[in-house]
Amino acid sequence: DAGVTQSPTHLIKTRGQHVTLRCSPISGHKSVSWYQQVLGQGPQFIFQYYEKEERGRGNFPDRFSARQFPNYSSELNVNALLLGDSALYLCASSLTRNQPQHFGDGTRLSIL
Amino acid sequence: GQQVMQIPQYQHVQEGEDFTTYCNSSTTLSNIQWYKQRPGGHPVFLIQLVKSGEVKKQKRLTFQFGEAKKNSSLHITATQTTDVGTYFCAGLSGYALNFGKGTSLLVTP
Repeated sequence: DAGVTQSPTHLIKTRGQHVTLRCSPISGHKSVSWYQQVLGQGPQFIFQYYEKEERGRGNFPDRFSARQFPNYSSELNVNALLLGDSALYLCASSLTRNQPQHFGDGTRLSIL
Repeated sequence: GQQVMQIPQYQHVQEGEDFTTYCNSSTTLSNIQWYKQRPGGHPVFLIQLVKSGEVKKQKRLTFQFGEAKKNSSLHITATQTTDVGTYFCAGLSGYALNFGKGTSLLVTP
């Protein structure tokens, strides 16, 4: 079975632009979470979606938004990009909420 | 909100030495999870501890959950070069999984 897949793998944007990151969970997993990982730090929780509804939101500004589709895939959108948004964005899926997370390889976002 | 702290930040050992990383939470945890991230890779789930005082072993790795469910530890016996990576603990708070900053382990042959 395929693991969690994320696209694109790398992305370069400039300040003020917006970006959409995509995630396909492991087949059968209904929960998708998004994390931001800055170099040298642990992943920081952004959102959790379960059964297509937002179940949790971390301490991130409203420029960050996400959604989950009927097939349980998910998108993370970030508007008005700032230099500080440069990071590895990780998607993780689990069978249900509060279960161990299975991470994708991430999207490395660089803001110039 | 909940904060999860890990020490040490870095550890450099000779192959064959033991290694321990400690995790402390500002609040009581419903469970704690441990992950390993190799350089350039993504976090990989190692184990979940749920019960107060729980101890679980995976080969050379021993995981403990404190009696008060506010701290945890990971001990590796006789480290190998394959143990290199960053070890994270993560505590569940509502729907959020809060990760510590991790302990980076370097093992030299």
